Amino acid sequence: DVKVTQSSRYLVKRTGEKVFLECVQDMDHENMFWYRQDPGLGLRLIYFSYDVKMKEKGDIPEGYSVSREKKERFSLILESASTNQTSMYLCASTPGHRTYGYTFGSGTRLTVV
Amino acid sequence: AQTVTQSQPEMSVQEAETVTLSCTYDTSENNYYLFWYKQPPSRQMILVIRQEAYKQQNATENRFSVNFQKAAKSFSLKISDSQLGDTAMYFCAFRAGKSTFGDGTTLTVKP
Repeated sequence: DVKVTQSSRYLVKRTGEKVFLECVQDMDHENMFWYRQDPGLGLRLIYFSYDVKMKEKGDIPEGYSVSREKKERFSLILESASTNQTSMYLCASTPGHRTYGYTFGSGTRLTVV
Repeated sequence: AQTVTQSQPEMSVQEAETVTLSCTYDTSENNYYLFWYKQPPSRQMILVIRQEAYKQQNATENRFSVNFQKAAKSFSLKISDSQLGDTAMYFCAFRAGKSTFGDGTTLTVKP
């Protein structure tokens, strides 16, 4: 089975800290995505990547950046964490073609205090 | 831009009964795929079922089936013989390149 692993299940950070959320997939998928999930707002796309060293902004990229130096790893970076970035963060991956659904990680619940 | 609408924020069903979750979408794309995902409480989101837009036949996966009406841009999920383990949030999603998700429907199966 394809596995998408997010490094932390729960994370508590202070306002202004730089935060790294790591995501690793083990099935050679081309595409990787970062979403945040908030009650009543569904899943909102932050950034995505269709290939190594490639990144595209999603619908809510402000306050975030990403890094994809290797195909299997896609990192989300909060440059200066703020309380409105408290959320559940979901990483997902998929092979290149649109026919495939996403495989999700278990999520990281980030609290910024 | 694509939009996905799930009009039922919450639903409940008795164990062993059938329930249908609604989803509509809007797109100008011709080649796309539709998905339903399940997110149990505090657990990982998993893919439930997939429908290719160019296929008229509705997809089925065991107790899960879809009613796909392309002209109406409707893609509902039917769960037959509901089980307690079906309690979860269900997301409808559209994919042409990246996916667009609905806001989710929280389904509670009651014993």
